[in-house]
Amino acid sequence: NAGVMQNPRHLVRRRGQEARLRCSPMKGHSHVYWYRQLPEEGLKFMVYLQKENIIDESGMPKERFSAEFPKEGPSILRIQQVVRGDSAAYFCASSRAGGSYEQYFGPGTRLTVT
Amino acid sequence: EDQVTQSPEALRLQEGESSSLNCSYTVSGLRGLFWYRQDPGKGPEFLFTLYSAGEEKEKERLKATLTKKESFLHITAPKPEDSATYLCAVFKAAGNKLTFGGGTRVLVKP
Repeated sequence: NAGVMQNPRHLVRRRGQEARLRCSPMKGHSHVYWYRQLPEEGLKFMVYLQKENIIDESGMPKERFSAEFPKEGPSILRIQQVVRGDSAAYFCASSRAGGSYEQYFGPGTRLTVT
Repeated sequence: EDQVTQSPEALRLQEGESSSLNCSYTVSGLRGLFWYRQDPGKGPEFLFTLYSAGEEKEKERLKATLTKKESFLHITAPKPEDSATYLCAVFKAAGNKLTFGGGTRVLVKP
């Protein structure tokens, strides 16, 4: 299966803990995007990365959230000191470079903060 | 500010009853529009990309069209397996981020 992979699929954290969400893009894709879907709300853009570069982080909360896409390995979305309002589904998407904008989504990570 | 609005929010259809979903947008510098299908508990599944007014794309019972202000997703003779939430999203010439509408939940009853 050459689709976008995300893990874990479900993550439970207590308030104040850290959450790490991983995303491996589709084979041949070098652009990664993170989106968040809050309960009863639509998908919202968070951040757009290429290998070792953050291209657009205009949708990222200013504090506690960070993202990276290292030269080797998956992209990681990190949430420090989680709060109940962080409970949501986090989706990763990937696309090819070079002008093709079609973004393919992974199955998502459902984060629950207790 | 860019806005994407989908209507109706929910649609109940009988099997075989064709209908259309609407996605209207206010975006400066539109580069294109995507349609996705999302099943409960899953990620959005890519359906179509439309780049210019007048363009049409078809896939099985689905047909997407684009004008300068809106896009339509027509579902012809739907089947129960077409039940899902259908999302539209726009992207601009500057930057690759998608702006999504709120979605239309479609339920097709046998």
